[in-house]
Amino acid sequence: QKEVEQNSGPLSVPEGAIASLNCTYSDRGSQSFFWYRQYSGKSPELIMFIYSNGDKEDGRFTAQLNKASQYVSLLIRDSQPSDSATYLCAVLDSSASKIIFGSGTRLSIRP
Amino acid sequence: DAGVIQSPRHEVTEMGQEVTLRCKPISGHDYLFWYRQTMMRGLELLIYFNNNVPIDDSGMPEDRFSAKMPNASFSTLKIQPSEPRDSAVYFCASSPLAIWSTDTQYFGPGTRLTVL
Repeated sequence: QKEVEQNSGPLSVPEGAIASLNCTYSDRGSQSFFWYRQYSGKSPELIMFIYSNGDKEDGRFTAQLNKASQYVSLLIRDSQPSDSATYLCAVLDSSASKIIFGSGTRLSIRP
Repeated sequence: DAGVIQSPRHEVTEMGQEVTLRCKPISGHDYLFWYRQTMMRGLELLIYFNNNVPIDDSGMPEDRFSAKMPNASFSTLKIQPSEPRDSAVYFCASSPLAIWSTDTQYFGPGTRLTVL
């Protein structure tokens, strides 16, 4: 069973600080990795995509991928209350036919 | 564009009844996905279509679930008979490119299903 693991949280971070969200996956052949943001009662929204080892930056968001250690992380700089949401990590499996989602980490930014 | 449209937004039914969920993808998107989200199991891909053809239905939990896409602008997910454990939020998503592409899957607002 291919798995994607996330700490469910809640992760509480003060406004203006860096929020760090982590995700590990079991399928060593996985190629592509996604971070979705989901506000309470809303649908998921793709915010980051990464497939190469290293860092990928987009505004206040940085995705980090380490395939050797099989983890992917999301950093949110200068956290804002509007960043409070559940963040879903998703992995495209080695067969490239199925996206597997983690259960999500609930992030709370306190003013 | 109106985005992905799902109906109904909420459905409450009794165990044993047939439930039909509907989805209209974004015009021009060749891929359509059905997901289920629960607290226990998170977000799960049930089935996806390419150009109206089912490509992978390995996520469909059992024979009580069926999905169709009779044309490019409409898809249904049917549960017959429904059971309390089917209670979840069901999302439909569409994408112009494949599941393995870098492009975004656009999610609909979801249908919250409660089976009593």
